[in-house]
Amino acid sequence: GAVVSQHPSWVICKSGTSVKIECRSLDFQATTMFWYRQFPKQSLMLMATSNEGSKATYEQGVEKDKFLINHASLTLSTLTVTSAHPEDSSFYICSSQGPSAYEQYFGPGTRLTVT
Amino acid sequence: AQSVTQLGSHVSVSEGALVLLRCNYSSSVPPYLFWYVQYPNQGLQLLLKYTSAATLVKGINGFEAEFKKSETSFHLTKPSAHMSDAAEYFCAVSDETGNTGKLIFGQGTTLQVKP
Repeated sequence: GAVVSQHPSWVICKSGTSVKIECRSLDFQATTMFWYRQFPKQSLMLMATSNEGSKATYEQGVEKDKFLINHASLTLSTLTVTSAHPEDSSFYICSSQGPSAYEQYFGPGTRLTVT
Repeated sequence: AQSVTQLGSHVSVSEGALVLLRCNYSSSVPPYLFWYVQYPNQGLQLLLKYTSAATLVKGINGFEAEFKKSETSFHLTKPSAHMSDAAEYFCAVSDETGNTGKLIFGQGTTLQVKP
């Protein structure tokens, strides 16, 4: 299957600072990428759909000004958590949409801890 | 709106025993169905998918799932559990609201394999 990477794999930041997470599709071009959030022992919650060259589409209840998504190229999408707070601590996972219908390839995730 | 229900948040089997992880879905249109596996602190790996072809789908690592429309089920099975199968398993259904590529995930089932 396709390879998707995330960087960093884990990050600790202080409350009030911003953190950028990168999601790269390494061996295919991804017009669409997805960003998920996962709390411990819970399922994945879709945050937003990232489309190359256009604005991201956010799910209901997700603050677009807090979670900034940029998809400037066909292989890179970034999620920036702005003014992070401890409640933003979570596991963030991205995926790239493959050529087949509803096929998604997932990155390894980024563990964010806000102190 | 469609949904996915995974019966049993935790399943424990002995090594060599049958693995059965249950998934029921609701969808008003023929769905695409997926099973993913997640190891600790990692992203999701696709085990198998149903896309309206054969109802019995074979996946990686010896897993298979059968699509039963009459029961709206897509249970995951493996004849003989291995210690390395211990992980979190997620069932997912395609989002029927337009060609969004979104997936809706179940709550997840933790599989424990005892020696």
